[in-house]
Amino acid sequence: DAGVTQSPTHLIKTRGQQVTLRCSPKSGHDTVSWYQQALGQGPQFIFQYYEEEERQRGNFPDRFSGHQFPNYSSELNVNALLLGDSALYLCASTLLTRDRLSYNEQFFGPGTRLTVL
Amino acid sequence: GQNIDQPTEMTATEGAIVQINCTYQTSGFNGLFWYQQHAGEAPTFLSYNVLDGLEEKGRFSSFLSRSKGYSYLLLKELQMKDSASYLCAVSLNTNAGKSTFGDGTTLTVKP
Repeated sequence: DAGVTQSPTHLIKTRGQQVTLRCSPKSGHDTVSWYQQALGQGPQFIFQYYEEEERQRGNFPDRFSGHQFPNYSSELNVNALLLGDSALYLCASTLLTRDRLSYNEQFFGPGTRLTVL
Repeated sequence: GQNIDQPTEMTATEGAIVQINCTYQTSGFNGLFWYQQHAGEAPTFLSYNVLDGLEEKGRFSSFLSRSKGYSYLLLKELQMKDSASYLCAVSLNTNAGKSTFGDGTTLTVKP
């Protein structure tokens, strides 16, 4: 089991450009969440995909969009890049549960380090 | 709004016990996660508390008081490899994905 994988590992872009980050969830998982982690801060929730639809969204502008494919893999797209978008972008996968007292562990990928110049 | 507070840094000695506190004020609460994150790596799951009380898992224990909006992570028999950032995260509903994270506590274990 490869766990959660992300590509690319590192990426350098310039302001105004667009970027696409990719994530493959852990085997058996159907839900993918994306987080942005700035240096020295905790991860900030961007959005979550389940059944190929965006189910939940954090406080991020529409420049951040995503997609989930039938094989549960996901992409994060960021348009019109700003310097402030420089961060580690983490993908996490889990198996959705609606049982309040149980949880399915969320596994994080190694992240993509995005630098915007 | 969401507010999660934890100390920025802590230092402890190898073999000792350390307690990392976390307080939260969030709109919605289902449970509280603790993650460990080594520098340059992804967060890894340590514990999840839904009900009040102490959950013990080997050298690590986590406590939750829902009425007080308070949790702590207790690390016993500290090892050098425990030097890392420890993230407290509140799960806002039954779905683990939408979690609000604190900024983490950087723990340094000294010999």
